[in-house]
Amino acid sequence: SQQGEEDPQALSIQEGENATMNCSYKTSINNLQWYRQNSGRGLVHLILIRSNEREKHSGRLRVTLDTSKKSSSLLITASRAADTASYFCATGGHNTNAGKSTFGDGTTLTVKP
Amino acid sequence: DGGITQSPKYLFRKEGQNVTLSCEQNLNHDAMYWYRQDPGQGLRLIYYSQIVNDFQKGDIAEGYSVSREKKESFPLTVTSAQKNPTAFYLCASHFGTGDGNQPQHFGDGTRLSIL
Repeated sequence: SQQGEEDPQALSIQEGENATMNCSYKTSINNLQWYRQNSGRGLVHLILIRSNEREKHSGRLRVTLDTSKKSSSLLITASRAADTASYFCATGGHNTNAGKSTFGDGTTLTVKP
Repeated sequence: DGGITQSPKYLFRKEGQNVTLSCEQNLNHDAMYWYRQDPGQGLRLIYYSQIVNDFQKGDIAEGYSVSREKKESFPLTVTSAQKNPTAFYLCASHFGTGDGNQPQHFGDGTRLSIL
């Protein structure tokens, strides 16, 4: 079964608005990563947040992690049409699963010009 | 430019046929992965390899086989035992082994369909 589950499944906003996606997971993790996938392409790594971090920024991206609630959020500020893509969270290897990441089903973001 | 190259981009399989998907990386990465993605879903791990001549089954290995004879290459064979092979297949890699903290680099995928 999938470790991470994104919410919402789909999100549609106007250019310039902020987009927030959430990820929940079930077991303890070493890290959580967010990826973007444009239609018909491979995934592109966006940001990694470790289990001892609470917030991380990269350009217009802000990721938070709440290990007590086993959840993370990805905020994209001032969205652009080019941000239209699917976004996935992936939980990083822990102990015997070291090296493996488990992906959720993703949030499909549509940014209207 | 360094990266991961998957080929072919599109592949069609006939009934009872084995097909092989190619994945080559020139990033000098140690670990390589194969994932399957069905429409509207996330990635499911098929096989992974952390060093040459060694690989492990992922969550959905049945009907698939791999080899890792060279560090830069990790081909995936979809055998006739895989009854529902239609999907988007993604190859990924990263530095290091035994550490889930490494971001994965992905190829652009192979879309496999049944004729």
